[in-house]
Amino acid sequence: GAGVSQSPSNKVTEKGKDVELRCDPISGHTALYWYRQSLGQGLEFLIYFQGNSAPDKSGLPSDRFSAERTGGSVSTLTIQRTQQEDSAVYLCASSSINIRGTRYAETQYFGPGTRLLVL
Amino acid sequence: GNSVTQMEGPVTLSEEAFLTINCTYTATGYPSLFWYVQYPGEGLQLLLKATKADDKGSNKGFEATYRKETTSFHLEKGSVQVSDSAVYFCALSPSGGYNKLIFGAGTRLAVHP
Repeated sequence: GAGVSQSPSNKVTEKGKDVELRCDPISGHTALYWYRQSLGQGLEFLIYFQGNSAPDKSGLPSDRFSAERTGGSVSTLTIQRTQQEDSAVYLCASSSINIRGTRYAETQYFGPGTRLLVL
Repeated sequence: GNSVTQMEGPVTLSEEAFLTINCTYTATGYPSLFWYVQYPGEGLQLLLKATKADDKGSNKGFEATYRKETTSFHLEKGSVQVSDSAVYFCALSPSGGYNKLIFGAGTRLAVHP
């Protein structure tokens, strides 16, 4: 498809289990972002990948959270030993490279999200 | 640090009313500014953006002007429709190119016939 896709769309898990969330960015987009949308915290940045550069992990809330991006395309966000406060909608976005050297950011396009519920 | 503050909702309007949703920001340098919209049951969509001072972003009858002197990016629409009912998020991306978005808390708009 033409847009960002995420799977699964919904995930229910038990406290203490590990979960993996997948994101397929728009073809040709080399920048990929993960955000979290929760009732208490609004929309929060988690992690950012750009090409082969080291990812910006500054938004990850704890060391239980990690993400990979294989082959510069698909990304997986992993949450280990899930807690109830991890319940949220996890959003992925992608954008193209700012190759013109301008100072402004390229538009990010968001996927539909994965709704995670930790019981 | 960088932050975005937008007016709390919900905002309830009658159809054809004038809409303003206030957004102010704190940032160093020259951030890019965005309005995203989330319709019921759907994902986040870019509504409009502005990349430098005095730029006006516009789309679907919505407008917002990047005001550096007041650090604001207020969203306006002259005549709202029921179909505009959604949650609106103001966001900034710090200067320097592609980077993370910092969002406001979101403002829920409900438009009644």
